[in-house]
Amino acid sequence: SQQGEEDPQALSIQEGENATMNCSYKTSINNLQWYRQNSGRGLVHLILIRSNEREKHSGRLRVTLDTSKKSSSLLITASRAADTASYFCATDETNAGKSTFGDGTTLTVKP
Amino acid sequence: GAGVSQSPRYKVAKRGQDVALRCDPISGHVSLFWYQQALGQGPEFLTYFQNEAQLDKSGLPSDRFFAERPEGSVSTLKIQRTQQEDSAVYLCASSLYVRGTEAFFGQGTRLTVV
Repeated sequence: SQQGEEDPQALSIQEGENATMNCSYKTSINNLQWYRQNSGRGLVHLILIRSNEREKHSGRLRVTLDTSKKSSSLLITASRAADTASYFCATDETNAGKSTFGDGTTLTVKP
Repeated sequence: GAGVSQSPRYKVAKRGQDVALRCDPISGHVSLFWYQQALGQGPEFLTYFQNEAQLDKSGLPSDRFFAERPEGSVSTLKIQRTQQEDSAVYLCASSLYVRGTEAFFGQGTRLTVV
């Protein structure tokens, strides 16, 4: 069973617009990670945010974490056609080594 | 190599056949994970190694699935008597430490059981 749930399931925007994806989870976590997956390819790690952090930036990416609401968001600013991919959040639960993934948000950026 | 390498990239197996999927993690990475990803879904955890020790195999769907990492480096995921429901992409990932660090994923092996 999946711990994380991404919202929305699919998102279509124009190049240059911002894209926001949300992730909710159920149990206590050590950290939360966001990954990108292009069609037919492996997952690429984007950013890791620890449970004691509230916000993290990496280039055009901004991730927030609200442990009281058990939710996270990924913001991609000034989107490009190359950002078209599926985006997954993955949680590392307390005292567990594995990550638990949601079913992802499929982002389409139209040129 | 620079990244996690999985082989083969594609495997077609007849129902009932045994298959073996290989994962070469990044050199020196302590943790190794196997995930199964069905079409249109996120990866689902199968099993986890810390060096050669298999610490968690709670995600293996049946006793037909077996994984090993005998020398704490290369890992093999074996599926015996494959069934159609085993068709999926099998992803391997490694990370430097036990937890709290990013995992690097391989390209996956797409298994199709016919």
